[in-house]
Amino acid sequence: GAVVSQHPSWVICKSGTSVKIECRSLDFQATTMFWYRQFPKQSLMLMATSNEGSKATYEQGVEKDKFLINHASLTLSTLTVTSAHPEDSSFYICSARDPARTYEQYFGPGTRLTVT
Amino acid sequence: SQQGEEDPQALSIQEGENATMNCSYKTSINNLQWYRQNSGRGLVHLILIRSNEREKHSGRLRVTLDTSKKSSSLLITASRAADTASYFCATDDKIIFGKGTRLHILP
Repeated sequence: GAVVSQHPSWVICKSGTSVKIECRSLDFQATTMFWYRQFPKQSLMLMATSNEGSKATYEQGVEKDKFLINHASLTLSTLTVTSAHPEDSSFYICSARDPARTYEQYFGPGTRLTVT
Repeated sequence: SQQGEEDPQALSIQEGENATMNCSYKTSINNLQWYRQNSGRGLVHLILIRSNEREKHSGRLRVTLDTSKKSSSLLITASRAADTASYFCATDDKIIFGKGTRLHILP
């Protein structure tokens, strides 16, 4: 199946700093990528939909100025957590839709962010 | 927003037994997907069932879909220790997840 990678797999940062997480589709071009956040023992919460070449669409309650999403190419989307705080500590997962397989999404392995 | 809700929230069974999880959703769908997530890891796509399908098989997995009841079930037969994970159902293109069923296989 298709492969989606994320980098880094884990990151620890100090409160107030910004962190960038990359999501790449390795063997297909993804016009649409999604970013999710997951707190311990909870479900994945969709944060935003990222479309190549256009602005991301954020879900209700997600601060677009805090979670900056850039989808500059068909294989790369980035999520930047700006001025991170301890409450932003979470597991961030991206997924990418393969346009050749309309309904199937492929998930990255996730990035664990810890803000101290 | 569309959302799947899995039932039960947690399930512990003996290795070799069958595990059944259910999912209910709120609105009309085009498809429903099941995913597995091992602790602290990414998601693995298990199976997709389209709205015009009633049952689908993949290896030890059997999925049913009842659009009139807005529900789906995932059956894992002959469970193995490696099946221990959380299972989520998700609907349609934005894939809004339910809370998941935590399945624990006892040796």
